[in-house]
Amino acid sequence: GAGVSQSPSNKVTEKGKDVELRCDPISGHTALYWYRQSLGQGLEFLIYFQGNSAPDKSGLPSDRFSAERTGGSVSTLTIQRTQQEDSAVYLCASSLFQGGNQPQHFGDGTRLSIL
Amino acid sequence: TQLLEQSPQFLSIQEGENLTVYCNSSSVFSSLQWYRQEPGEGPVLLVTVVTGGEVKKLKRLTFQFGDARKDSSLHITAAQPGDTGLYLCAGATGGTSYGKLTFGQGTILTVHP
Repeated sequence: GAGVSQSPSNKVTEKGKDVELRCDPISGHTALYWYRQSLGQGLEFLIYFQGNSAPDKSGLPSDRFSAERTGGSVSTLTIQRTQQEDSAVYLCASSLFQGGNQPQHFGDGTRLSIL
Repeated sequence: TQLLEQSPQFLSIQEGENLTVYCNSSSVFSSLQWYRQEPGEGPVLLVTVVTGGEVKKLKRLTFQFGDARKDSSLHITAAQPGDTGLYLCAGATGGTSYGKLTFGQGTILTVHP
């Protein structure tokens, strides 16, 4: 498909386990963003990539969270030693170029539930 | 920390009514975007406003960016059940070279037939 693809769409895991969330941006998009959304709420910025570099990691809640992007394309968000407060929908977005005027195209998210 | 206060948080109206959603901040944004999100899906961009005082219309939706680029509003005329959803405003900081968005908390709109 031509849109942003995220996998898995749903993930249920036990507290303390590690999880990996994947994002395939739109082909050719140089900027990639990760957000977290709690039930019915706005989006909380986590991290931003321009190419394979992450100029802004300021939104990552703790050192249990990390992300990488390879080949200027696919990105993986990893949460280690998950906690119940990590339960949320994790959304990925991409844009053709970086810049506040650029529309961000979102995937449908990964719904993460920590038991 | 730059915050966007969005109001109201919930809005339940009858088909045919008009409504306005507000997005306010004490910070200046280089641009402001409005998104609409349906359950189980990602947000979809409706409009981007970049110039203070700018007004954009998208069919029955009218978007305005405040003169000082600190606030914005979304006005829907003659709402329809298909307008039901979560509406999000998002402000961009760092100028045109940077795309980080700060989102408001969202407005859940329900339009009853």
